[in-house]
Amino acid sequence: GESVGLHLPTLSVQEGDNSIINCAYSNSASDYFIWYKQESGKGPQFIIDIRSNMDKRQGQRVTVLLNKTVKHLSLQIAATQPGDSAVYFCAENQGQNFVFGPGTRLSVLP
Amino acid sequence: EAQVTQNPRYLITVTGKKLTVTCSQNMNHEYMSWYRQDPGLGLRQIYYSMNVEVTDKGDVPEGYKVSRKEKRNFPLILESPSPNQTSLYFCASSFQGEGTEAFFGQGTRLTVV
Repeated sequence: GESVGLHLPTLSVQEGDNSIINCAYSNSASDYFIWYKQESGKGPQFIIDIRSNMDKRQGQRVTVLLNKTVKHLSLQIAATQPGDSAVYFCAENQGQNFVFGPGTRLSVLP
Repeated sequence: EAQVTQNPRYLITVTGKKLTVTCSQNMNHEYMSWYRQDPGLGLRQIYYSMNVEVTDKGDVPEGYKVSRKEKRNFPLILESPSPNQTSLYFCASSFQGEGTEAFFGQGTRLTVV
């Protein structure tokens, strides 16, 4: 079936550098996407969302880019901090339900 | 505080012993769902509910049951747990309709021996 996936399972970045986490989706009809952050021992937490009528959305230190042509989603984190260390999931809205990718683990190096 | 509460957080049980994991939300959300999270497989949906007394199977419903007698509660029932149901379980809720974020509980780590 249709699915959402991530290009890289792990990502290590230096503190202060920018991070880019990628996600590929396969359902071209999907019109809403969310990035979640999951810290160890906790449930996923909403970071930022984007609708298919947009190609970019910015939050505080985070930016989501949507490229519908190649069905690609990315999360950019500016000035990565130790507290950003977590697993990041992209989720694709299919009807009422969400389909999640396997996640990317972001490690921030001192 | 708006939240989704799961209980218990940790549970070790034996094969075949019925168990229930509770989920409650205080945000008046119509939609609730259960996921299991396994290494390398991400979050997979078990069951979901669009509203009271309305439940539907997700991607991996085998071995699970749910009920939605009240809007705020959505328990997950394992009638006869097996070791392959050892996993991390998450309950989530959201308002009805497309394009609304889901709020997740803290998770329940279940081990079936």
